[in-house]
Amino acid sequence: GESVGLHLPTLSVQEGDNSIINCAYSNSASDYFIWYKQESGKGPQFIIDIRSNMDKRQGQRVTVLLNKTVKHLSLQIAATQPGDSAVYFCAENMGGGKLIFGQGTELSVKP
Amino acid sequence: GAVVSQHPSRVICKSGTSVKIECRSLDFQATTMFWYRQFPKKSLMLMATSNEGSKATYEQGVEKDKFLINHASLTLSTLTVTSAHPEDSSFYICSGAGEETQYFGPGTRLLVL
Repeated sequence: GESVGLHLPTLSVQEGDNSIINCAYSNSASDYFIWYKQESGKGPQFIIDIRSNMDKRQGQRVTVLLNKTVKHLSLQIAATQPGDSAVYFCAENMGGGKLIFGQGTELSVKP
Repeated sequence: GAVVSQHPSRVICKSGTSVKIECRSLDFQATTMFWYRQFPKKSLMLMATSNEGSKATYEQGVEKDKFLINHASLTLSTLTVTSAHPEDSSFYICSGAGEETQYFGPGTRLLVL
């Protein structure tokens, strides 16, 4: 069936470095994607979204890239900080507000 | 804006009892709310879609008699875990549907002894 998945389950980076978290999706008809951050024991928090008519979108220290040719999504975090340590999920909007979540990548930031 | 609360944040109950979890949209009206379950180190698994004033739509494999959902108003949905067993122990998260994204509650940790 259709699914959204992530390439890497864990990612460890040095404080100050840039982080890149990847996501592969399989539904070529999907037109809206969202990245969420989930800290331990909390609910997911919206980070940034992107529509399929865009290749790139930037926020504060975060950038999302969308490659529709290979159905790949990535989240880039600039100057990663200890507060960025969390699990990051990509999600695909399936219509009707329904989201399908990827497996998640746990980001650890080393001081 | 777009704040969702859940109550309780944590609950411990005995096996065989029922537990009710409330999900409230505090500053917006949520015609649709979603209930998820999450195991440690795992992704969110959609359990059901809750629509105000109508029956919930359950995902395949989710027992609707086990997980009762009521969405009586535009700001409140409840999930009742009936006759809870240890395998129902999990992190339950609700969300309120925005225009395209979802706004998530802080989650409820359920432990069934």
